[in-house]
Amino acid sequence: GQQVMQIPQYQHVQEGEDFTTYCNSSTTLSNIQWYKQRPGGHPVFLIQLVKSGEVKKQKRLTFQFGEAKKNSSLHITATQTTDVGTYFCAGRGNYQLIWGAGTKLIIKP
Amino acid sequence: GAGVSQSPSNKVTEKGKDVELRCDPISGHTALYWYRQSLGQGLEFLIYFQGNSAPDKSGLPSDRFSAERTGGSVSTLTIQRTQQEDSAVYLCASSPRDSDSAKNIQYFGAGTRLSVL
Repeated sequence: GQQVMQIPQYQHVQEGEDFTTYCNSSTTLSNIQWYKQRPGGHPVFLIQLVKSGEVKKQKRLTFQFGEAKKNSSLHITATQTTDVGTYFCAGRGNYQLIWGAGTKLIIKP
Repeated sequence: GAGVSQSPSNKVTEKGKDVELRCDPISGHTALYWYRQSLGQGLEFLIYFQGNSAPDKSGLPSDRFSAERTGGSVSTLTIQRTQQEDSAVYLCASSPRDSDSAKNIQYFGAGTRLSVL
């Protein structure tokens, strides 16, 4: 079946360092969404990418959708404590959203 | 407007008891999803309702799990004869219209934390 692999599972960074999470699909996606889940919270929608090669920015967050529409990335520049949480990608396959396992961003004390 | 509402927010039950979890989606949303999230893990898809169509039950882990959606709105997830491994957060999400890719953003409720003793 369709799968979306997300790596890494965890990333520990010093505050101010950058963070990147990657998603790869076994099949072409019609679109991909990104969600953020704060500790103890529920997933909240961040952005949706639809076009091949699309790049979107939200302040320090940059989202990319691959040319083949099979991979995507989220890059956070100069992380802050408010960025802590788990970032999920969810790709739209033939039928419904297929969720990645999430990448947990941890800020080192 | 109001978001997705789930109740109860916490449920503690004894092994072998049945539990019912409720989800009240955003008004007008035709798609409704149930997920399970164990501590520190990702989202495990359970079941999906779209309008009046037959639900997609492909994610239900066993026949102890069932869900219904009455009148295309409120949904109830029922777990019979609960086991300790059922302990998790159960999340509900609704979406305006699943077939339209521009509108398939999922809006999540705060979840029900189920603890089976």
